[in-house]
Amino acid sequence: EAGVAQSPRYKIIEKRQSVAFWCNPISGHATLYWYQQILGQGPKLLIQFQNNGVVDDSQLPKDRFSAERLKGVDSTLKIQPAKLEDSAVYLCASSSGPEQYFGPGTRLTVT
Amino acid sequence: QKEVEQNSGPLSVPEGAIASLNCTYSDRGSQSFFWYRQYSGKSPELIMFIYSNGDKEDGRFTAQLNKASQYVSLLIRDSQPSDSATYLCAVPMYSGGGADGLTFGKGTHLIIQP
Repeated sequence: EAGVAQSPRYKIIEKRQSVAFWCNPISGHATLYWYQQILGQGPKLLIQFQNNGVVDDSQLPKDRFSAERLKGVDSTLKIQPAKLEDSAVYLCASSSGPEQYFGPGTRLTVT
Repeated sequence: QKEVEQNSGPLSVPEGAIASLNCTYSDRGSQSFFWYRQYSGKSPELIMFIYSNGDKEDGRFTAQLNKASQYVSLLIRDSQPSDSATYLCAVPMYSGGGADGLTFGKGTHLIIQP
């Protein structure tokens, strides 16, 4: 069974630019999560989808971050405009129950 | 907001010994607890999870819950150098069941010395 796929794996942008990340969950997993992991910290939930609906986006900085999962499968996370403090690894995870399985992540560096 | 606290370490354990990792949680109502392993530069990998009704053993790993003191432990028996990693403890953000997003601790860095 294929795992969670993410792209790109690395991205370097300048502050105030925009960036988008893509995630394809494990086949059949209805729940998809985006987490942000800053160096030295645990992952922090940004947004959770159940199929194509948002379950929780309480920790998503909505002035600059947006996410969608239009067809209930793939998802994209966008940052516009980026700030220096957005430098982190962005992890996508999916689940069909309590266990969450993470993709390889996208390492974002904002200069 | 639920909180999870872990000693960041590093925790150094000789090869073959038992490694004991702890985390404390703030919400007495938490119903499930997760342990993830994260190698440097990699994404978190689920090791095991337990519900509040009992401990769990899986191979060399045992997760134990102390509800009275609000901490959960991960024991690794016969520690191997390949166990060297950061171990993240997590609890569901809300009801503790189903597929809630997780609140993670900062992780404990474990080093197994050959």
